[in-house]
Amino acid sequence: KNQVEQSPQSLIILEGKNCTLQCNYTVSPFSNLRWYKQDTGRGPVSLTIMTFSENTKSNGRYTATLDADTKQSSLHITASQLSDSASYICVVRDYGGSQGNLIFGKGTKLSVKP
Amino acid sequence: SQTIHQWPATLVQPVGSPLSLECTVEGTSNPNLYWYRQAAGRGLQLLFYSVGIGQISSEVPQNLSASRPQDRQFILSSKKLLLSDSGFYLCAWSIESGGYNEQFFGPGTRLTVL
Repeated sequence: KNQVEQSPQSLIILEGKNCTLQCNYTVSPFSNLRWYKQDTGRGPVSLTIMTFSENTKSNGRYTATLDADTKQSSLHITASQLSDSASYICVVRDYGGSQGNLIFGKGTKLSVKP
Repeated sequence: SQTIHQWPATLVQPVGSPLSLECTVEGTSNPNLYWYRQAAGRGLQLLFYSVGIGQISSEVPQNLSASRPQDRQFILSSKKLLLSDSGFYLCAWSIESGGYNEQFFGPGTRLTVL
């Protein structure tokens, strides 16, 4: 069964610190992997999207890595800010169906404290 | 630039009442459109998707239905709401580009069924 598992479930860090969020998946065949940021009560916003041939992609202070061999991805946040407080969702697309199914992780809830 | 709108933003409805949520997209033509539901502590669940006017695919059996009367309008409906229909409903659009089929989410509707 295609699954996306994220860890930790929640995380609290101090402003200015770095953190890394993890995503493990069992989706096969794999098409691409995305990281979304979702502020409370809002729709998710895309941070990065990577195909199997890309092993790192950055978007400002956000850097995503992908190891397609071990089926693991991480999202590293540098010099965290209070506005980084949100849920971060890992999403994997497979080739199944005409729409290429998206399998969503449950997200990691990040809280950045002053 | 493309924008996606959803309304209402929040809705409180009694059990057994009808439902109509609307989603419209601006700035693009013939997008793929999606309805998701996000329950507390769970990942996004795809409910419906549409590749064109009048074309609706249902991903999960339920008492909800969707319609696409116009190219950039997607409507989620129910004749009789259940308590289990409470959740955060997200509309999204995408256009296949370079194999990514990246999805862009609307602001969401928070539905509470009492």
